[in-house]
Amino acid sequence: AQSVTQPDIHITVSEGASLELRCNYSYGATPYLFWYVQSPGQGLQLLLKYFSGDTLVQGIKGFEAEFKRSQSSFNLRKPSVHWSDAAEYFCAVGALYNTDKLIFGTGTRLQVFP
Amino acid sequence: EAGVAQSPRYKIIEKRQSVAFWCNPISGHATLYWYQQILGQGPKLLIQFQNNGVVDDSQLPKDRFSAERLKGVDSTLKIQPAKLEDSAVYLCASLGSSYNEQFFGPGTRLTVL
Repeated sequence: AQSVTQPDIHITVSEGASLELRCNYSYGATPYLFWYVQSPGQGLQLLLKYFSGDTLVQGIKGFEAEFKRSQSSFNLRKPSVHWSDAAEYFCAVGALYNTDKLIFGTGTRLQVFP
Repeated sequence: EAGVAQSPRYKIIEKRQSVAFWCNPISGHATLYWYQQILGQGPKLLIQFQNNGVVDDSQLPKDRFSAERLKGVDSTLKIQPAKLEDSAVYLCASLGSSYNEQFFGPGTRLTVL
């Protein structure tokens, strides 16, 4: 069965520092992968997605993610974090038989200190 | 364009009561989803509609949960009777024309006492 693991429940970084959020997936074929961000009291917003092609994907708000098939990973990165990036981040994979159906990880809460 | 609308934003009920949530997707979006997000977990798909037909309801607890999308536009999700473990945020999303991009509403936070 497809699944997504986000090993870090909570990460704290200083403003201006670099960020990497980890995501590992279990999947039987080439996965459709997504990163979403959820600010308090709001719905989820898509940051970026990977279907095929270039394994380094650029997204909104200065985020990027790299698909590594050999490591079954799709880690999210940002070179310099802003205080407004504090939120919950979810990695998701499209289900094998219905790629419109998203399977989410448990999320990583990002806290940013000034 | 207007986003996905949901109401109410918050609801507190006692166990065994019934509750209903409403969702209006982005205009023109044929596919609509309801998710349950329990505190500390990622969203879990409850049901997926394509127009007014159900595509996937494999994780919907059908003994107490029901959903409909009669005219293929807005949708309602109902819980009857509610249990304590139903306390969660219920998210509605619709699928845009950009392949696989789902747009989420702000959610309804349900507390069952």
